[in-house]
Amino acid sequence: DTAVSQTPKYLVTQMGNDKSIKCEQNLGHDTMYWYKQDSKKFLKIMFSYNNKELIINETVPNRFSPKSPDKAHLNLHINSLELGDSAVYFCASSQESSGYTFGSGTRLTVV
Amino acid sequence: KQEVTQIPAALSVPEGENLVLNCSFTDSAIYNLQWFRQDPGKGLTSLLLIQSSQREQTSGRLNASLDKSSGRSTLYIAASQPGDSATYLCAVSRYNDYKLSFGAGTTVTVRA
Repeated sequence: DTAVSQTPKYLVTQMGNDKSIKCEQNLGHDTMYWYKQDSKKFLKIMFSYNNKELIINETVPNRFSPKSPDKAHLNLHINSLELGDSAVYFCASSQESSGYTFGSGTRLTVV
Repeated sequence: KQEVTQIPAALSVPEGENLVLNCSFTDSAIYNLQWFRQDPGKGLTSLLLIQSSQREQTSGRLNASLDKSSGRSTLYIAASQPGDSATYLCAVSRYNDYKLSFGAGTTVTVRA
C-alpha cells in the first residue's frame, strides 16, 4: 500500500525519558513534515524537510530534534519529555501537485 | 501570517440533509486548499484538493468550491449519511511555503 506510515501508534512514557517516533513514506514525495495536534484538536506544524534538508523549524523546544536519513524517512526524537508534550504527532508528506498525505498519528502520553 | 477559520464549529443534521461547511482564510496568495476528514482517534484523510487556479472540485457526494479573491471555500456534502459524522478540516498552503495552515475544524454529526 502506498502510504505514510509512522510508528509507534501509541507511546506512554515517564517524564524525563527520551523517545523517538519514526515515519516513512513510499509516495515518492520530496517534502515531509511533523505536525502536532493538541488537546483542542488544533494542528500545528513543527518541522519540514525537503529532500533531507530542514526548511521549516517552527518555535519548538530544542528538546525536539528531527532527522531525515533520506527523503523517504523523517524521524522525531524527543529528549527529557515533559507532561506538556502529551499530544498526537502526525507525520505527513507532500508533492506540489498532489497535496498532503498524513500518517495515522502517534498518541504520546507523558506520565 | 495565514489565519484559517471554519464556521460552524459543530453541526448536527438529520440523515439525508445536505451539509454546508465554510472555510475562510486571510491571505489570498494560496497555492492550494485541501479538505480533510478526521474520525475520532484517527488520522487525516484527504477528501479534495483544489489548486489555486481551480474554482471547484468534485468527488462523489462531495463538492468543494474556492473563491480566492474573497478568501473562502465551501465544502458541500449531499444527502448526508451517519457515516459522514466526523471532523472536517480545511487547510491552505502558500506559494513557496511548505506548510499547511489549518482551521480548527467543523465537527459534524449526522443523526439516523
